[in-house]
Amino acid sequence: EDQVTQSPEALRLQEGESSSLNCSYTVSGLRGLFWYRQDPGKGPEFLFTRYSAGEEKEKERLKATLTKKESFLHITAPKPEDSATYLCAVQGVNYGQNFVFGPGTRLSVLP
Amino acid sequence: DTGVSQDPRHKITKRGQNVTFRCDPISEHNRLYWYRQTLGQGPEFLTYFQNEAQLEKSRLLSDRFSAERPKGSFSTLEIQRTEQGDSAMYLCASSLPYRLAGDLNEQFFGPGTRLTVL
Repeated sequence: EDQVTQSPEALRLQEGESSSLNCSYTVSGLRGLFWYRQDPGKGPEFLFTRYSAGEEKEKERLKATLTKKESFLHITAPKPEDSATYLCAVQGVNYGQNFVFGPGTRLSVLP
Repeated sequence: DTGVSQDPRHKITKRGQNVTFRCDPISEHNRLYWYRQTLGQGPEFLTYFQNEAQLEKSRLLSDRFSAERPKGSFSTLEIQRTEQGDSAMYLCASSLPYRLAGDLNEQFFGPGTRLTVL
């Protein structure tokens, strides 16, 4: 069964203090790995898609990388508005069209 | 606003009552998904539609849950005889047709319906 874990569960950073969030997955045939941001009481907001190991993509202060077993979301010089829960999801070849989500990392960036 | 919309945003009901939620996907998206999310957890897949056909259902979807997408546009999710364990955020997502997106199955989520069963 496809599984996704995320670490840390929660992370507190000072504004400007860079860090990384981890998403580890076990999936029989990865079709795609997706990062979402979720603010309290709202639906997840799409950030990145990763389809193959070695890929990197950047969006403002965020950069996502992918290996065969995990993905990292690097946050460079974060700002308080980056505070949110970051969710990782995988789509495997045996799971049709649905995503399997991890539990998320709650990020707090203090001014 | 051309995003996914859901209605209502909040629903409070008593145990044993039936509730129905509506989802309107992005107009050019023919793939539609329902997820359930409880506090502190990631969304869990419930069901998937391609146009009006319900192609996938999770084993989490008990027989009290039913989803429809009669004309391949909006979708409804009904929960019969609600239980307190049904309290959660119900999320709808949509994505482009396979012929346009191929394996680029990027799902875009609506704001969710927060259900509270008393």
